[in-house]
Amino acid sequence: GENVEQHPSTLSVQEGDSAVIKCTYSDSASNYFPWYKQELGKGPQLIIDIRSNVGEKKDQRIAVTLNKTAKHFSLHITETQPEDSAVYFCAAMTKAAGNKLTFGGGTRVLVKP
Amino acid sequence: EADIYQTPRYLVIGTGKKITLECSQTMGHDKMYWYQQDPGMELHLIHYSYGVNSTEKGDLSSESTVSRIRTEHFPLTLESARPSHTSQYLCASRAGGTDTQYFGPGTRLTVL
Repeated sequence: GENVEQHPSTLSVQEGDSAVIKCTYSDSASNYFPWYKQELGKGPQLIIDIRSNVGEKKDQRIAVTLNKTAKHFSLHITETQPEDSAVYFCAAMTKAAGNKLTFGGGTRVLVKP
Repeated sequence: EADIYQTPRYLVIGTGKKITLECSQTMGHDKMYWYQQDPGMELHLIHYSYGVNSTEKGDLSSESTVSRIRTEHFPLTLESARPSHTSQYLCASRAGGTDTQYFGPGTRLTVL
């Protein structure tokens, strides 16, 4: 089955700096890669996603890149703000696995003011 | 904002009690999921359903059971709770033909 590795597990950045989280996946048939943000006491919320036929996608301060050959994808947050502090999860979906999501282990991001 | 609800949000119970965690969504989604989130943050799929009267076990073995009698409702039951069941339980749903999964706010269960 699919295996998703996420790094780093914790990330501390100064407000205004950029944050980068990286994920690798094992199943080359995976074709959908969402990123979720989970704030304290809440469920994960989708912040951006990318499909395997696209190499990069951007939404304001958030961007995701995908390298299908290397089987890795990354989340980039620019001009970080204190409200970006949360746990971030990457995931991969494989149609052959019934469209179930396999999640990475999560990254706890702390933005210091 | 996704219309998916979980109750209770927090539950503290004693060992051996039977409990049911409720999950409901008003989006008409046919796919629903239960995840267990351990203190180390990882999300583990424990049950899923592709429609009414359809339930499957997920990747992580769980002593809980689920049912799907109505499209909008996907309750999870523990017949006899134990301290090892202490965890955060997250419900999610997805419309058929789409990829996006929407999560509920979670139920934090503590078994003493």
